[in-house]
Amino acid sequence: GAGVSQSPSNKVTEKGKDVELRCDPISGHTALYWYRQSLGQGLEFLIYFQGNSAPDKSGLPSDRFSAERTGGSVSTLTIQRTQQEDSAVYLCASSKGQSHSPLHFGNGTRLTVT
Amino acid sequence: AQKVTQAQTEISVVEKEDVTLDCVYETRDTTYYLFWYKQPPSGELVFLIRRNSFDEQNEISGRYSWNFQKSTSSFNFTITASQVVDSAVYFCALSEGAGGTSYGKLTFGQGTILTVHP
Repeated sequence: GAGVSQSPSNKVTEKGKDVELRCDPISGHTALYWYRQSLGQGLEFLIYFQGNSAPDKSGLPSDRFSAERTGGSVSTLTIQRTQQEDSAVYLCASSKGQSHSPLHFGNGTRLTVT
Repeated sequence: AQKVTQAQTEISVVEKEDVTLDCVYETRDTTYYLFWYKQPPSGELVFLIRRNSFDEQNEISGRYSWNFQKSTSSFNFTITASQVVDSAVYFCALSEGAGGTSYGKLTFGQGTILTVHP
């Protein structure tokens, strides 16, 4: 596609349920990132994938959060046993993977945990 | 640790006014990159400009200009003759390091909400 695609655009879930958020990066981009945007914390880095290298998971806030990237393309961010503080917009971005390449962001998934 | 501060939470101007968005950063690295992103109401963050720590040449692109000063650790952004379509949240960001997993790992400022009134 022309840009980074994220689905769903909105997700409402009950506390304690698991959710999966999907990201389809720009074709040919080797690097993929997940960020979280919330009112209280601003934009926070979560996780980074680059090619076949081990992902940088240093931003994941707890072990309830995990992410996969299959075949070097689509990525899924999974949040288990969701809590109200997980409510935020989850942004995915991709880049060409070269030195400090600009990131191309998707429109995000707005997650609301009730 | 790295830090980006955008002291202006909200700015409101009338169309055709010039407006400057401030950004101050902290880093221990000698190699780093600075970015500005724009987030319009649609929500998608849009890349505007990138500068590396070795290039202090300021840049003008249409109505946009950027002033990078290492001496004051600042990377300010000016919009000349603002327009209603410039209304958005503007984020300054920093990425550190000469390589490895620091690529693309951005530290963002809190953002400045710019509202341009007709």
